[in-house]
Amino acid sequence: EVQLVESGGGFVQPGRSLRLSCTASGFTFGDYVMSWFRQPPGKGLEWVGYIRSQAYGGTTEYAASVKGRFSISRDDSRGIAYLQMNSLKTEDTAVFYCARARGSTSLATFAPWGQGTLVTVSS
Amino acid sequence: DIQMTQSPSSLSASVGDAVTITCRASQSIGVFLNWYQQRPGKAPNLLIYTASNLQDGVPSRFSGSGSGTDFTLTISSLQPEDFATYYCQQSYSTPFTFGQGTRLE
Repeated sequence: EVQLVESGGGFVQPGRSLRLSCTASGFTFGDYVMSWFRQPPGKGLEWVGYIRSQAYGGTTEYAASVKGRFSISRDDSRGIAYLQMNSLKTEDTAVFYCARARGSTSLATFAPWGQGTLVTVSS
Repeated sequence: DIQMTQSPSSLSASVGDAVTITCRASQSIGVFLNWYQQRPGKAPNLLIYTASNLQDGVPSRFSGSGSGTDFTLTISSLQPEDFATYYCQQSYSTPFTFGQGTRLE
């Protein structure tokens, strides 16, 4: 069974950093694009960014709202994708989800998703 | 950025009803449009990809259509588990943007 489990969320003060992990199982992790999303409480979904497979250079791309503050990396040997979040702002408060690309050649269709991890940025 | 607009924002329906949700893109996106269902407190779940293709394991009462800028998601006969929020998402170009959601209640 394909499964994604996020961890690392919690309460953090503005300006601080936090790293989220997305641990994958049930598929060949290194073959797939992995993406991160967020959903502020009671609001809609926002794509945060993705990381391509090493076969495509492991390149990353980000939403403008997080570019320069957030970075995505991957450890294919451990089946984990990371979201490093720096200079956090109160408006970054959200449930963060990771998701796998639907297919090994897919980029922008997302299935499955992890269960999410809540990040609260507050003083 | 491509803006995605869903209508309606909320929809009242009953078990057995047929419902249609509309999604409009701010520019042509071909068939690069996906639909997701999100139940309260849960992660989104892919229903339809590239406008009209049913994701594995999704009941056949869900269907999608459209191309260019206008798309629809239809549920042919609502079941109790279908009362959720539905999002469209364009997969044409980054940033990959979502509609604001349609809450089915």
